[in-house]
Amino acid sequence: DAGVTQSPTHLIKTRGQQVTLRCSPISGHKSVSWYQQVLGQGPQFIFQYYEKEERGRGNFPDRFSARQFPNYSSELNVNALLLGDSALYLCASMTGLNEKLFFGSGTQLSVL
Amino acid sequence: AQRVTQPEKLLSVFKGAPVELKCNYSYSGSPELFWYVQYSRQRLQLLLRHISRESIKGFTADLNKGETSFHLKKPFAQEEDSAMYYCALAGDQKVTFGIGTKLQVIP
Repeated sequence: DAGVTQSPTHLIKTRGQQVTLRCSPISGHKSVSWYQQVLGQGPQFIFQYYEKEERGRGNFPDRFSARQFPNYSSELNVNALLLGDSALYLCASMTGLNEKLFFGSGTQLSVL
Repeated sequence: AQRVTQPEKLLSVFKGAPVELKCNYSYSGSPELFWYVQYSRQRLQLLLRHISRESIKGFTADLNKGETSFHLKKPFAQEEDSAMYYCALAGDQKVTFGIGTKLQVIP
């Protein structure tokens, strides 16, 4: 039973660079959401997609963008990286909106 | 705006003692509330959801709309319950998590 998969698992970037994180949902799940988690905090909501359309956006700057593909996989892009973007980025898939979340293991992003 | 508050970052209890992890929320509509748990070196996973009203691993949580609370309870703590617990609210096209409570069960 393949769960939610995220790639890469770890990433090191420098300030000003751009990064793309990838997520594959559980088969049959049509919704994907993204979260940023810094040490000592709960996950912070970034985006939510359902059937390839954006269905929610958190309080993050326009440097953050995402999309969902026809196979329901998703990418999170962050431009002009700042030191403060260093965090664990979590992807979760759901059968539908407001349903229970199935999380991936996350991508640990370090910005130097 | 929706908000989830978990007032305790750390809760230590002895094995066999009752556990109550507090969660208060602020939301104008009808909330969808969840408890998620993260055991050491594992990914976040659902523990329970208020609409299912079931008991998972001995844990229960009752939604109290008057007090806007969704506290997680277990009558007798086990060592394997040691983990991070997050309360979450889904609504208004977003999901809001609390800061999390680390439960430490002392043998």
